[in-house]
Amino acid sequence: DIQMTQSPSSLSASVGDRVTITCRASQGISNYLAWFQQKPGKAPKSLIYAASSLQSGVPSKFSGSGSGTDFTLTISSLQPEDFATYYCQQYDTYPLTFGGGTKVEFK
Amino acid sequence: QVQLVESGGGVVQPGRSLRLSCAASGFIFSTYGMHWVRQAPGKGLEWVAVISYDGSNKYYADSVKGRFTISRDNSKNTLYLQMNSLRAEDTAVYYCAKDQNYGGNLGIDFWGQGTLVTASS
Repeated sequence: DIQMTQSPSSLSASVGDRVTITCRASQGISNYLAWFQQKPGKAPKSLIYAASSLQSGVPSKFSGSGSGTDFTLTISSLQPEDFATYYCQQYDTYPLTFGGGTKVEFK
Repeated sequence: QVQLVESGGGVVQPGRSLRLSCAASGFIFSTYGMHWVRQAPGKGLEWVAVISYDGSNKYYADSVKGRFTISRDNSKNTLYLQMNSLRAEDTAVYYCAKDQNYGGNLGIDFWGQGTLVTASS
């Protein structure tokens, strides 16, 4: 199975900060990577697919990059509604696998 | 607008069975692959299974292979997950999710709200 490793597992940030989360795959997955946001008690929300393409309706403050084994999710200016847990997922090979999550907390 | 509504969760004894349903609306259900994803209490997301648009292709996580079966009824716009031989470690919120592609291999774009399954005596 492909292992997905996210870092950091948690971070503290302030409103207006630029935040970057990384995701590393144990083997190459081309650009078959998605990012999801989840708030406490809620279903996940899809943010990005194909490593860098925004889902419809997702604000442009979110961006993704990378290919192969190393990927990043960047939030350009953190807002109160962005405090959540973020997951990456590879869909190159079955079984699909998620990263362990990155919790973005208020500093 | 896309809507996915799960049902069928509840408390069940280990070793027993349960069937989850996911009613879909707002898109042409019969043309998209569909997934089940679960989340144990306080834990991260775990992919469970995927089915192609016509049910001809199915893939499972190793943790559920041989015990769980994903299926769909396109005439009813409904996705199912038959869960047999349930274990305590299957306790989780189960989410139904839509893929962007008929094969179920281009990534998830929409999620349901989830249904809680608790396997406990």
